Amino acid sequence: DAGVIQSPRHEVTEMGQEVTLRCKPISGHDYLFWYRQTMMRGLELLIYFNNNVPIDDSGMPEDRFSAKMPNASFSTLKIQPSEPRDSAVYFCASSSANEKLFFGSGTQLSVL
Amino acid sequence: DAKTTQPPSMDCAEGRAANLPCNHSTISGNEYVYWYRQIHSQGPQYIIHGLKNNETNEMASLIITEDRKSSTLILPHATLRDTAVYYCIVRAMDSNYQLIWGAGTKLIIKP
Repeated sequence: DAGVIQSPRHEVTEMGQEVTLRCKPISGHDYLFWYRQTMMRGLELLIYFNNNVPIDDSGMPEDRFSAKMPNASFSTLKIQPSEPRDSAVYFCASSSANEKLFFGSGTQLSVL
Repeated sequence: DAKTTQPPSMDCAEGRAANLPCNHSTISGNEYVYWYRQIHSQGPQYIIHGLKNNETNEMASLIITEDRKSSTLILPHATLRDTAVYYCIVRAMDSNYQLIWGAGTKLIIKP
């Protein structure tokens, strides 16, 4: 099993640009999560899906952030427009039923 | 507020057992104790979890006190690759996924 796959691994962009992060969960997993990690705030849950349906998006910072899961094997997290304070490592994780989380390697986002 | 308390850092000699403590004095009866670790530049990795009884797998052992107010993660023979931040988390199986990730314990394995 390849595990949770995220792309890109690193993203550098300028303030105001649109950023799209991608995630392929582990096959067969029915939960998918987007987390953000910063030194100041640690790991924060942004949103999670169950069977492709968003369940809890209360962690999404503001309307500039949106997430989609068009099918069981793909999800995106979009930031439009991006701001320097969005700089962080963004992790995608997946899970089967209600059990342990499997995390991807993350996307290091830098907004200049 | 974090529901668990962990020391910010610990050292351990390579080859020795690493014992990482966690206090969760307000744990509820239906809450499990989970341990994850995060090696530098990687995503968190699941280690082990338990409810009441002690648990062991290929990575570690989890010792939960009888009153369930604290637990210890044991890495029996620590290697340099075990250097990481270790997170102790409590959650109920039927809860949502708003896991509270504290600062964890930075474990440094020294040669």
